[in-house]
Amino acid sequence: ELKVEQNPLFLSMQEGKNYTIYCNYSTTSDRLYWYRQDPGKSLESLFVLLSNGAVKQEGRLMASLDTKARLSTLHITAAVHDLSATYFCAVDGWVDSNYQLIWGAGTKLIIKP
Amino acid sequence: NAGVTQTPKFRILKIGQSMTLQCTQDMNHNYMYWYRQDPGMGLKLIYYSVGAGITDKGEVPNGYNVSRSTTEDFPLRLELAAPSQTSVYFCASSYTRTYQPQHFGDGTRLSIL
Repeated sequence: ELKVEQNPLFLSMQEGKNYTIYCNYSTTSDRLYWYRQDPGKSLESLFVLLSNGAVKQEGRLMASLDTKARLSTLHITAAVHDLSATYFCAVDGWVDSNYQLIWGAGTKLIIKP
Repeated sequence: NAGVTQTPKFRILKIGQSMTLQCTQDMNHNYMYWYRQDPGMGLKLIYYSVGAGITDKGEVPNGYNVSRSTTEDFPLRLELAAPSQTSVYFCASSYTRTYQPQHFGDGTRLSIL
């Protein structure tokens, strides 16, 4: 069964600190997506990683993909309160006969002033 | 820019009632999806559509039905609502099946009592 595992599932951190969220997956895939969800809100696309070694950065967030290790990381630099949200990774893969996005459970990030 | 619009935003149903969740997109996307999001979990695919007149089951289709008569609209119908269907439902659309992110509506919070 295809699995997408994120860790940690919950992270509380101070402003100004750096941290990394990990996304491991169990299938061969070279396409991985990161989304952000604010409480009670919709999901917003952050990054689309389409090949081994892909790295993308937006502000204080940087995402990378290692398809050989089946691992993606989302690195937060000098965290600020506005980055508090739940972050999801998702991978293209097969579930039964459907080729679809398979989602991690999400990492709830709380950044304290 | 309306994007993906879902209605209603909230609804309470009694066990055994039926209802239709509406979803409309104005981006001329061929691909549309319905997901459910349970607390602390990633999204699960209920149904998807690759274009007008074409729909297919996702991971968790039981208890739901869909139709796609136009490119813009992709309603989800719940027949004989059950407590297990209490969840947040998201509709999404995308231009291609993969390589590009999905765009999400604001969600429908549904409680079945």
